[in-house]
Amino acid sequence: IQLTQSPSLLSASVGDRVTLSCKGSQNINNYLAWYQQKLGEAPKLLIYNTNSLQTGIPSRFSGSGSGTDYTLTISSLQPEDVATYFCYQYNNGLTFGSGTKLEIK
Amino acid sequence: QVQLKESGPGLVQPSQTLSLTCTVSGFSLTSNSVHWVRQPPGKGLEWVGAIWSGGSTDYNSALKSRLSISRDTSKSQVFLKMNSLQTEDTAIYFCTRSYYYVMDAWGQGASVTVSS
Repeated sequence: IQLTQSPSLLSASVGDRVTLSCKGSQNINNYLAWYQQKLGEAPKLLIYNTNSLQTGIPSRFSGSGSGTDYTLTISSLQPEDVATYFCYQYNNGLTFGSGTKLEIK
Repeated sequence: QVQLKESGPGLVQPSQTLSLTCTVSGFSLTSNSVHWVRQPPGKGLEWVGAIWSGGSTDYNSALKSRLSISRDTSKSQVFLKMNSLQTEDTAIYFCTRSYYYVMDAWGQGASVTVSS
């Protein structure tokens, strides 16, 4: 399964509601996770099984979707959210999306 | 506290073999799987392969012919060996713990450069 993330670059203001998209080439059956990677660091798990929040992750992060289309939402963007976000599917093989780089406007 | 730490040579010559070690703590290799994921400079993440809690392995089909993953449970270590390295294999190599295919803990990564 190939994953297409959009946009590749997103610029938003502090406090904005931000939505990142991940589209699969086939049905993912909700076996989708989201990772946050800050510059020079390892990826960090944010969301798994489409909408389950990993322990310790702020509640401003949420996930949704079904079938081939999935979304990561940040309800109120904070400066520390600057990072690249990757989606990852584990329904059929294991693949990552190409990432969305999120910056502060 | 779950921890993973990669170690290995930072520089490998083309056509040579890469050997990396992932030393884990805070969990058992017989209860969790360990995956390797790599990231070329400035690019995205690529799943390399995994060793499951039972000891079986799975590999990225594009790398399978060059790749071997093994473990020593007594030392809490997982090993990656990749032969016939090319410049395209230059990347940061991460080892990760997985629970039901979800990679929930990552090592800091080992930078590998393939160059003569």
